[in-house]
Amino acid sequence: EADIYQTPRYLVIGTGKKITLECSQTMGHDKMYWYQQDPGMELHLIHYSYGVNSTEKGDLSSESTVSRIRTEHFPLTLESARPSHTSQYLCASSEWRQGEDTQYFGPGTRLTVL
Amino acid sequence: GESVGLHLPTLSVQEGDNSIINCAYSNSASDYFIWYKQESGKGPQFIIDIRSNMDKRQGQRVTVLLNKTVKHLSLQIAATQPGDSAVYFCAENGGNQGGKLIFGQGTELSVKP
Repeated sequence: EADIYQTPRYLVIGTGKKITLECSQTMGHDKMYWYQQDPGMELHLIHYSYGVNSTEKGDLSSESTVSRIRTEHFPLTLESARPSHTSQYLCASSEWRQGEDTQYFGPGTRLTVL
Repeated sequence: GESVGLHLPTLSVQEGDNSIINCAYSNSASDYFIWYKQESGKGPQFIIDIRSNMDKRQGQRVTVLLNKTVKHLSLQIAATQPGDSAVYFCAENGGNQGGKLIFGQGTELSVKP
């Protein structure tokens, strides 16, 4: 399994603030992903990356942006947070297993925007 | 559109009993499936996976069954323990979409001591 780290684990901020959620993995995986998840609900892909300098928008529209300057690092940024951004954000990376990409997840960041 | 859905949103079982969590998928092109376990406040944890060239795969206390004819996936947990209490998600690859997965709604498993 992959070692995926996310910081902070919990964040409470006011409306209009700029925030960056950090995600790092130590396994050298090329592919990384960001999901948004409301409590008990399904995961929605908001961004993914196939490698350095590669970023794509996911299936769920998001006002966040991502960057991939280093293989191990995939930060997500909200320029101006709003209460509608309150959610859990999960980062994942994938390894090639049984001829397929298998995703492994970090612990998540619980974001609350007041 | 594509969807992966679970038949039961909640499942309550007695400790020691076997649990069966079901999942239906709609994309017949999907050829790889994963079950994840998510405990409260944590990220999803990989449990077991299966490719479409298999009908059954076993792990430690868990078994995944795949029925491609009716597009149905199930996760069986033997001798369920309180530590198994979590939300379980199935995911499919949608026919190899470059590593992206489609997740279902999730089933909450509650184990009574």
